[in-house]
Amino acid sequence: QKEVEQNSGPLSVPEGAIASLNCTYSDRGSQSFFWYRQYSGKSPELIMFIYSNGDKEDGRFTAQLNKASQYVSLLIRDSQPSDSATYLCAVKGTGGSYIPTFGRGTSLIVHP
Amino acid sequence: DAGVTQSPTHLIKTRGQQVTLRCSPISGHKSVSWYQQVLGQGPQFIFQYYEKEERGRGNFPDRFSARQFPNYSSELNVNALLLGDSALYLCASSSEGQGETQYFGPGTRLLVL
Repeated sequence: QKEVEQNSGPLSVPEGAIASLNCTYSDRGSQSFFWYRQYSGKSPELIMFIYSNGDKEDGRFTAQLNKASQYVSLLIRDSQPSDSATYLCAVKGTGGSYIPTFGRGTSLIVHP
Repeated sequence: DAGVTQSPTHLIKTRGQQVTLRCSPISGHKSVSWYQQVLGQGPQFIFQYYEKEERGRGNFPDRFSARQFPNYSSELNVNALLLGDSALYLCASSSEGQGETQYFGPGTRLLVL
């Protein structure tokens, strides 16, 4: 059973701070990693994907991947109240596995 | 370009009824996946279709079925509805059956009374 673990939160940060969201996964052969943002009552929206160890930056967002530790994180710099949402981590494996496994998500609250 | 579209947006059914949900993928995408998301949980995989063939099936009962049409749109059918089937049903499309990023539609919120 492939598992993706996220702390459900809520994670509360002040406006302007860095929010750090973490995700661990059980399948050591996983190759593709995705972060989605989901506002309450809405569908998930892709933020970033990462395939290689290290950091990948896109605007205020940075994804970090450490395959040896089976750990992927999302950093949000200069957090804004509009970033308040649930952040879903999704992991896709190898060996013909076309299906990503989702974590339960971490609720982020950015307060003014 | 239009994103993934789903219909209907909301649906109310009673136990024992049947429901059909519809999805149109992003133009050029040949793969469609269906997910169920209950409150407080991540999306749970139901089916994936690629080029009209089933590529994967999640741990859902046989009451759940799906198909993909020649234009790559898809339908999800659920028979003999249970209260526990109440959820947000998400459709996602991707350009390949493997390895490609999935983009979600707005979802269909199903309430079973």
